[in-house]
Amino acid sequence: EAGVTQFPSHSVIEKGQTVTLRCDPISGHDNLYWYRRVMGKEIKFLLHFVKESKQDESGMPNNRFLAERTGGTYSTLKVQPAELEDSGVYFCASSQGWGYTDTQYFGPGTRLTVL
Amino acid sequence: AQKVTQAQTEISVVEKEDVTLDCVYETRDTTYYLFWYKQPPSGELVFLIRRNSFDEQNEISGRYSWNFQKSTSSFNFTITASQVVDSAVYFCALSEAFQGAQKLVFGQGTRLTINP
Repeated sequence: EAGVTQFPSHSVIEKGQTVTLRCDPISGHDNLYWYRRVMGKEIKFLLHFVKESKQDESGMPNNRFLAERTGGTYSTLKVQPAELEDSGVYFCASSQGWGYTDTQYFGPGTRLTVL
Repeated sequence: AQKVTQAQTEISVVEKEDVTLDCVYETRDTTYYLFWYKQPPSGELVFLIRRNSFDEQNEISGRYSWNFQKSTSSFNFTITASQVVDSAVYFCALSEAFQGAQKLVFGQGTRLTINP
């Protein structure tokens, strides 16, 4: 069974440009999460989808970030326009069930560098 | 508020030594889960273990063991007879039942280097 996949693995863009990150969860997982780790700090929650609905977006830093999950399969996270402080590693995770007990399985992350 | 602290930023040991990674947490809830993840150089976060707040039994899996103590709010991870392949960043994380929240709260991570 394929794990969580993310594309691209690395993106380098200039300040003010737009970048779109993609995440494909494990097949059959209704729950999809986005997290971010900025340099040297802890991994922080951004948002949570249940199928195509946003369940919790309390961690989204501002309205320059837009996440979608059309059809309840893969998800995209768009940053527009990108700022220097958006640099970091963006992780996607998925889980099968609902609730705090379920294990989240993570992808390899997308390293975003904003120059 | 929930918080996870991994006070050890970096640890370096020689192969075959035992090493313990500390994790201390704060939570407002009596019902919660604790996790450990490993991030090898390839970058992905690999799930290692999940432990619920009602189960304080220690867990052993091969060379890995976990010590959960609610009295000290700690969930420490020990690697016995460490190997070079154990070199990675290790993250401790917490999820609470409070208000149905599902997000994981992570510690800062401990970078473990095992030297041959």
